[in-house]
Amino acid sequence: SAVISQKPSRDICQRGTSLTIQCQVDSQVTMMFWYRQQPGQSLTLIATANQGSEATYESGFVIDKFPISRPNLTFSTLTVSNMSPEDSSIYLCSVESGEETQYFGPGTRLLVL
Amino acid sequence: EDKVVQSPLSLVVHEGDTVTLNCSYEVTNFRSLLWYKQEKKAPTFLFMLTSSGIEKKSGRLSSILDKKELFSILNITATQTGDSAVYLCAVERSGGSNYKLTFGKGTLLTVNP
Repeated sequence: SAVISQKPSRDICQRGTSLTIQCQVDSQVTMMFWYRQQPGQSLTLIATANQGSEATYESGFVIDKFPISRPNLTFSTLTVSNMSPEDSSIYLCSVESGEETQYFGPGTRLLVL
Repeated sequence: EDKVVQSPLSLVVHEGDTVTLNCSYEVTNFRSLLWYKQEKKAPTFLFMLTSSGIEKKSGRLSSILDKKELFSILNITATQTGDSAVYLCAVERSGGSNYKLTFGKGTLLTVNP
C-alpha cells in the first residue's frame, strides 16, 4: 500500500483566512481524492484530483471554496478558502493504489474560530 | 443517489465478546464494498469485497458480502480493547474513471476490559 503524509496535521485558523493542506505520496498514483469529515459525520468526497487536468468536484463543493492543485503524480494540495467555523473538520486525502483500493493519509484536523 | 447505512451506530462490549457490524447499501454500478477502521483521524483499510459469499479473513476479523441482498457484515471475534474504533463501510461505484466512494456514518465500537 502507498504511504501518504499530510501537512499540517492540525491547525487553528481565524475566520476569513485560507489554509492550504498538502498531501504527499511515496509512489506515483493516477488518482488522488480529498475528503471532509465534519464532527460526528462520515467522510464526504470533496473532489477527485488527476494530474494534468482540473479537479472534479462533487455536488455541494466548488472550486472557488476548495481550489485543488495536482502538479505531479505524487503530490496534491487542497486549499480551504475564506474559512468559517462550519469548515471545522478533518480533511483527508486518499489515493487509489495498484490493488484498486483507496488508502488514506493521516488527516488534517482544522478548527476555525 | 448512492446510500450506505450502517448498524448499529454504536456498540459497547466486553473483552472477549464477538461482535457483528452491519452495512447495507444502494449504489448504481456497484464495484466493491470496503471496510475501514478509524481511530483518531485516518481510516485504515481492512477489507475489499467484490464477490458474494466469499469470506475475507484477517486474524480475528472477517467479512462477507451478499450482493443479492445488498449488505455486508464485519465480524470481530475475541474482541480486545485495541479494537475500539469507528468502523466505516464504503461502497465504490464504477463508471469510466469515476471511482467514487460513498461512506456510511460508521459504527462506534467500544470494548471495555
